[in-house]
Amino acid sequence: AQSVTQLDSQVPVFEEAPVELRCNYSSSVSVYLFWYVQYPNQGLQLLLKYLSGSTLVKGINGFEAEFNKSQTSFHLRKPSVHISDTAEYFCAVTYTGRRALTFGSGTRLQVQP
Amino acid sequence: GAVVSQHPSRVICKSGTSVKIECRSLDFQATTMFWYRQFPKKSLMLMATSNEGSKATYEQGVEKDKFLINHASLTLSTLTVTSAHPEDSSFYICSAGTSGYNEQFFGPGTRLTVL
Repeated sequence: AQSVTQLDSQVPVFEEAPVELRCNYSSSVSVYLFWYVQYPNQGLQLLLKYLSGSTLVKGINGFEAEFNKSQTSFHLRKPSVHISDTAEYFCAVTYTGRRALTFGSGTRLQVQP
Repeated sequence: GAVVSQHPSRVICKSGTSVKIECRSLDFQATTMFWYRQFPKKSLMLMATSNEGSKATYEQGVEKDKFLINHASLTLSTLTVTSAHPEDSSFYICSAGTSGYNEQFFGPGTRLTVL
């Protein structure tokens, strides 16, 4: 069975500082990886995805993530955050033959002025 | 881009009543729709996967007789919470996808409160 671990439940950071949100997964097969953002009382918006190819994936709003197969990680990064980036971020995984997503527990990014 | 809507966005009902939540793909045909449940400050838990024209596949521990899912067309799936109880109060989110693993498009969610 596959699982996703987001070790940090909350990440406080000052505006314009860099940030990294960690995501590790466990799976015995090839995976597809996603990062979603959720603003309060809203659904999920896709930030970026890794399906195949280049391990460095660039997404919307200046975010990027790197797929590291040896470390089974897919950490999300942004070089300079804004107040508007304050939200809940979810890492998710699926694999060939299963289209439903397995989500991590989420990381609350709190950007402070 | 692909848009998924949910209706209603919020619903409050009395214990014992049934509530229907609609999930629509507005500008694409969704061969598969997923229903997730999200508890406060928690992650999304998959409840069931539904393919158009066939019975939904429920995750272990989800009562199929309590959470009725219908996917009658390529643009509409419904989740009916039957005989709702306070413990069914939650945020229900649907998503829709076409073929492949490219992306699921999520609806805005429905906040259900059972009194």
